[in-house]
Amino acid sequence: ETGVTQSPTHLIKTRGQQVTLRCSSQSGHNTVSWYQQALGQGPQFIFQYYREEENGRGNFPPRFSGLQFPNYSSELNVNALELDDSALYLCASSSMLQGGDTQYFGPGTRLTVL
Amino acid sequence: KQEVTQIPAALSVPEGENLVLNCSFTDSAIYNLQWFRQDPGKGLTSLLLIQSSQREQTSGRLNASLDKSSGRSTLYIAASQPGDSATYLCAVRFGNTGKLIFGQGTTLQVKP
Repeated sequence: ETGVTQSPTHLIKTRGQQVTLRCSSQSGHNTVSWYQQALGQGPQFIFQYYREEENGRGNFPPRFSGLQFPNYSSELNVNALELDDSALYLCASSSMLQGGDTQYFGPGTRLTVL
Repeated sequence: KQEVTQIPAALSVPEGENLVLNCSFTDSAIYNLQWFRQDPGKGLTSLLLIQSSQREQTSGRLNASLDKSSGRSTLYIAASQPGDSATYLCAVRFGNTGKLIFGQGTTLQVKP
C-alpha cells in the first residue's frame, strides 16, 4: 500500500506568478484535502475534494483552486502569488467509504515566494 | 468560532520522564480528534484518533484522552525518549465536515 505523495518537494516562485502542486492519494482513498502551514503555525484548511468535486472550503480567496482526477489524485493551483503564500502545503487523503476518519498526510511541498 | 488551542508552545524534559500535552477546543460538538506528530520540515504522522463517543485511545507509550464536556484532550507520553522530540499537533473535526482545525502545536524536546 503506497502512502500519500506530493510533488515537487520544494518550489521557488516570484510574486505574481502561478503555481501548481500535485498530490497522489493513498491507495483506496477517494477524498483529498489541502492545507497551508505557515512557519510556526498549525495547518489551515484550504479545501477538500470528494469524487472530483469540491466538498468544503476554508477561508482562502478564489485564486486558490483545485482539481481532483478520476484516479483521485489532486492538484492545487495558486494564481497571482503573494509573499504571504510562502508556506508548506500539505495534502491529506482519506476514504469516505471507511468513514473518512483518519486523514493521512503527505510530506508536503515547501513554496517560497520572492 | 471553532478554535483549537495547545499549551505550552514548547516543552523540554529529560529522557525517561512521563509527560502530558494539552489541547483545548471551543465547541463540544466534535466529530473526532486526532493527534499528529511533525518532524522539522516534514509532513504529519497520525498518532491517535479519538471518536467523539470515546474517552481514550492507546498506542504503545502514547495515550490520548478526550473530555468533550470540558473541551479538552491530553496526549500522555510515557518514558519519553530523545526520538520523541518533534512538534505535536492536535486537530479537531467539528460536525460532519472533512475539515480539520489544528492547534498551533507543542514542540517537545527530550534531552538525553
